[in-house]
Amino acid sequence: DTAVSQTPKYLVTQMGNDKSIKCEQNLGHDTMYWYKQDSKKFLKIMFSYNNKELIINETVPNRFSPKSPDKAHLNLHINSLELGDSAVYFCASSQGTGEWGELFFGEGSRLTVL
Amino acid sequence: KQEVTQIPAALSVPEGENLVLNCSFTDSAIYNLQWFRQDPGKGLTSLLLIQSSQREQTSGRLNASLDKSSGRSTLYIAASQPGDSATYLCAVPGGATNKLIFGTGTLLAVQP
Repeated sequence: DTAVSQTPKYLVTQMGNDKSIKCEQNLGHDTMYWYKQDSKKFLKIMFSYNNKELIINETVPNRFSPKSPDKAHLNLHINSLELGDSAVYFCASSQGTGEWGELFFGEGSRLTVL
Repeated sequence: KQEVTQIPAALSVPEGENLVLNCSFTDSAIYNLQWFRQDPGKGLTSLLLIQSSQREQTSGRLNASLDKSSGRSTLYIAASQPGDSATYLCAVPGGATNKLIFGTGTLLAVQP
């Protein structure tokens, strides 16, 4: 059983489109995250949710909107995609309210905007 | 502002060698430090988590040490194997929200 699973694994789309990435964790963790890894492999947090509530919202364009229907799911919707949005997006989860516990990552969703 | 640096950026060693990866951070007031491994096209796998009160953690052939006062951590890999080839990242919580700050990683290649 995959602990943190995200879909789709690959996503190729045109500029201006809207797309969503879904994430689910079966670890019973309280906190879920979205990270972005750019072409230089630098990993940076975008959002963090604890029990469906937003607790970290980095300087991310408001075209990115996370949604957490329950504490096991955290989806990422992106409007009006731009070329610079091309990256690998990772979902992660941890126990507790902060990034102090061990993080478990999904395998990533590679987004390519043409 | 917390900054995390990893040296070297890339490392190639023959199989069987012991090796050390380095991680430096600018703000020593950390809660913990984590080491991760990332295989190509995959997500990150947590290797070791060291609490601020600890000096080291061991898991199999891996040993991570933490020296908060000097802002350094090392990951020691004993008897390296080709399967150890991956990118290794360290991360510390930083800032008002204690979000994780990642280093840029060390790309390790173990030659058979």
